[in-house]
Amino acid sequence: KAGVTQTPRYLIKTRGQQVTLSCSPISGHRSVSWYQQTPGQGLQFLFEYFSETQRNKGNFPGRFSGRQFSNSRSEMNVSTLELGDSALYLCASSFLGQGEYNEQFFGPGTRLTVL
Amino acid sequence: GQQVMQIPQYQHVQEGEDFTTYCNSSTTLSNIQWYKQRPGGHPVFLIQLVKSGEVKKQKRLTFQFGEAKKNSSLHITATQTTDVGTYFCAGRLVSGTYKYIFGTGTRLKVLA
Repeated sequence: KAGVTQTPRYLIKTRGQQVTLSCSPISGHRSVSWYQQTPGQGLQFLFEYFSETQRNKGNFPGRFSGRQFSNSRSEMNVSTLELGDSALYLCASSFLGQGEYNEQFFGPGTRLTVL
Repeated sequence: GQQVMQIPQYQHVQEGEDFTTYCNSSTTLSNIQWYKQRPGGHPVFLIQLVKSGEVKKQKRLTFQFGEAKKNSSLHITATQTTDVGTYFCAGRLVSGTYKYIFGTGTRLKVLA
């Protein structure tokens, strides 16, 4: 079974631009969660999507948004990029989602650098 | 807000020594998961604990969930160089919306 894939793997943007990251979960998994990982803040939960609906949300500003498609693939968008948005963005898929006792399978991440 | 702290932040051990990382939550957890992230890699699921006072073992790794379901620990016996990485706990909150809060992580270095 193929693992979680994320594209692109690396991205360089400048302040003020916007970016869209993509995540394809493991086949059959309906839940996709997004996390931001930085050296200073660790792994911070952004949001979780399940069956195309946002079920859970972390404490990030509205510049961070996401969506999930009918095939469970998910995209995350960050508008008006700031230097502090430079981070590794990880997505994780699970069979049932964060409301159930399911392990999360992480993708390799997208390394975003904002200049 | 809800926080999950881990100590220590860093740990250097000689190969063969034991290692323990502790995870403490400010609120009661429904369950807790442990992940390992190798340098340059992504977090990989190790185990899940659900019951109060639960203890689980995986070869040299022993995981415990506290009686109050607010803390947990991971103990590695006789570390090996393959144990290098950052260990994260992730607690699922009971109240309000269900989501996992990741601990701050403990970075382990094993010196051969």
